[in-house]
Amino acid sequence: DAGVTQSPTHLIKTRGQQVTLRCSPKSGHDTVSWYQQALGQGPQFIFQYYEEEERQRGNFPDRFSGHQFPNYSSELNVNALLLGDSALYLCASSLRPNTEAFFGQGTRLTVV
Amino acid sequence: GDSVTQMEGPVTLSEEAFLTINCTYTATGYPSLFWYVQYPGEGLQLLLKATKADDKGSNKGFEATYRKETTSFHLEKGSVQVSDSAVYFCALPRSYNTDKLIFGTGTRLQVFP
Repeated sequence: DAGVTQSPTHLIKTRGQQVTLRCSPKSGHDTVSWYQQALGQGPQFIFQYYEEEERQRGNFPDRFSGHQFPNYSSELNVNALLLGDSALYLCASSLRPNTEAFFGQGTRLTVV
Repeated sequence: GDSVTQMEGPVTLSEEAFLTINCTYTATGYPSLFWYVQYPGEGLQLLLKATKADDKGSNKGFEATYRKETTSFHLEKGSVQVSDSAVYFCALPRSYNTDKLIFGTGTRLQVFP
């Protein structure tokens, strides 16, 4: 049984560009959450998707947006990249909202 | 707002030493509490949890007791191994949602043979 898978594993982008990160949830899970983990810090909640809608959002600007597809996979989009967006982006899936979260290995984004 | 405070690392120990990583929290009510572990190059894994006051979570030799009097959830292990080297995060749910978590800054543990 595949766990949460994320792609790509590493990515380098230039300031001002846009980036899309992808996540496939664990089999049977319909809820996906995204987190940003800056170097040396704990993960910060960005938002959660359930039933193809954003259900809750953390303290992140509108440059961060997402999408959930009918097969429950999800994308995180970041526009107008800043150097400060460099981080490990973690995707977590859960069986349904408010149940245990299972994390993927993350996508390391470097903005230069 | 709700928050988690962890002791700063790194914590450096010899194999078979006793481990304590301190965690205190600020929250409304009595939420569930979690410890996650992040091994090098990997995502987060749930290590253990406690769902109510005075509960003890345990897994892989690690233990943590939910102490509402001191608002603490310290992680302990009696005898660490080199393979325990990782970053450990204490966490609590946002507004009681167990899949939307507030994490501490993490504590790096380094165990040497």
